[in-house]
Amino acid sequence: DIQMTQSPSTLSASVGDRVTITCRASQRISSLLAWYQQKPGKAPNVLIYKASSLESGVPSRFSGSGSGTEFTLTISSLQPDDFATYYCQQYNSYPWTFGQGTKVEIK
Amino acid sequence: QVQLQESGPGLVKPSQTLSLTCTVSGGSVSSGGYSWSWVRQPPGKGLEWIGYIYYTGTTYYTPSLKSRVTISRDTSKGQFSLRLTSVTAADTAVYYCARGRQQLVRSSFYYYMDVWGIGTTVTVS
Repeated sequence: DIQMTQSPSTLSASVGDRVTITCRASQRISSLLAWYQQKPGKAPNVLIYKASSLESGVPSRFSGSGSGTEFTLTISSLQPDDFATYYCQQYNSYPWTFGQGTKVEIK
Repeated sequence: QVQLQESGPGLVKPSQTLSLTCTVSGGSVSSGGYSWSWVRQPPGKGLEWIGYIYYTGTTYYTPSLKSRVTISRDTSKGQFSLRLTSVTAADTAVYYCARGRQQLVRSSFYYYMDVWGIGTTVTVS
C-alpha cells in the first residue's frame, strides 16, 4: 500500500493567514491526489483533484500543487469557515489511501 | 444533482454481518464514467477506503478487508450495498458511500470521490 503522510498534524492559525499543508507519498503517484475538507460530524468535501485542479464551487483561496511524491494544499487567506480537518488521498493505485489528517485550529 | 444516502442498522453484534445500503438519487449506479465506493471513519480517527463497484459491476476491495467484504449493486433500485462479515469492535465507525468521478490520464481511467453521503454510524457491541 502507498503510505500518505501529512504535516503538520495540527496547525494553529488566525483569520487572514496564509496556510500550507504538506502531503508526502511513499511512492510516486504522478498527480493523482485529491484534497478533502471535513468538518466535525460532516462528510468530507473535495476541494482539489489531480493535485492542482479546483473542484467546481470551491473558493479560489484554495490551491494545490505538486507531483510525484510531494504535494501541498494552500489556503491563501484563512476564513472562519476554513477551520476544519484536511485530508489528502492518492488514487493512483489500489488500495486508495488517505493521509492521517491535518486539523486547522483557531490561534 | 446527485445525492447519496446511507441506510442500515446502527448496532451490530460481534461476529455478525454488517449490511449497509447507499441509495443514489439524481443519477444511476450503471451510468458510465463513475465508480461507487464505501469509506469508513472510526471514532476520532482518519478515513479508510473500503472498496468500490464500477458501473460495469467490477469490484475492488482494500486487501486488509478483502476476505470479509462484498460490495454489490441493485440497478433497478438505484442502490449499492456493503456487506462486512465477522465484525468486531474495530469495525465500529461512521460509514460513508461516495461517488468516484472518472478522469482519463495517460490513456487510463482514474477516479476521485466527488460526491459523498452524510454517513451512518455503526456500532459493534
